[in-house]
Amino acid sequence: QKEVEQNSGPLSVPEGAIASLNCTYSDRGSQSFFWYRQYSGKSPELIMFIYSNGDKEDGRFTAQLNKASQYVSLLIRDSQPSDSATYLCAVVNTGGFKTIFGAGTRLFVKA
Amino acid sequence: DAGVIQSPRHEVTEMGQEVTLRCKPISGHNSLFWYRQTMMRGLELLIYFNNNVPIDDSGMPEDRFSAKMPNASFSTLKIQPSEPRDSAVYFCASTLAFQVLGYEQYFGPGTRLTVT
Repeated sequence: QKEVEQNSGPLSVPEGAIASLNCTYSDRGSQSFFWYRQYSGKSPELIMFIYSNGDKEDGRFTAQLNKASQYVSLLIRDSQPSDSATYLCAVVNTGGFKTIFGAGTRLFVKA
Repeated sequence: DAGVIQSPRHEVTEMGQEVTLRCKPISGHNSLFWYRQTMMRGLELLIYFNNNVPIDDSGMPEDRFSAKMPNASFSTLKIQPSEPRDSAVYFCASTLAFQVLGYEQYFGPGTRLTVT
């Protein structure tokens, strides 16, 4: 079992729709969870982080965390073609230093 | 701030040659990470430093890989001898880390390494 799992996609949604990206993790003691966006040929950049169970909203983005189910998700509302990228889920392990990245989900937003 | 600086941006070398990748973290950051990214394996953590000290190098694939951080503003990742399977994009990232919770990592532009 991989430590952080994501569907590789591609996930294709029409412009204006909600894109839902999911991630599961194996280290039950993990405390910190991040979503990074990576455009083709570029480096990852942080778009959201969440530490507590529940939802966290930032503009069009909402991160959801369920520690009991070891599940993290990212919702992108009103998806735009510029949101087309690979989204990486990252989990910081117990102890707070080592970050494990999922393989990423490719998102395509069709105009 | 200029962000994380990596050099070279592209490196093409022949199998068996030594390769040295360089990284300058963001000033004031106390943790530095080296990652390797390939299509097959995704983004893999190779090694990370906290306050210039290597904390975990369990991701370093084999003894051909070594990393140093002689001071807070410079780190190197060396591959000797290089092999074609080392071809990948190598990212350096830095952050100001706290012990309890995680933190945002700032990535450099990466070095695209091709070993022929």
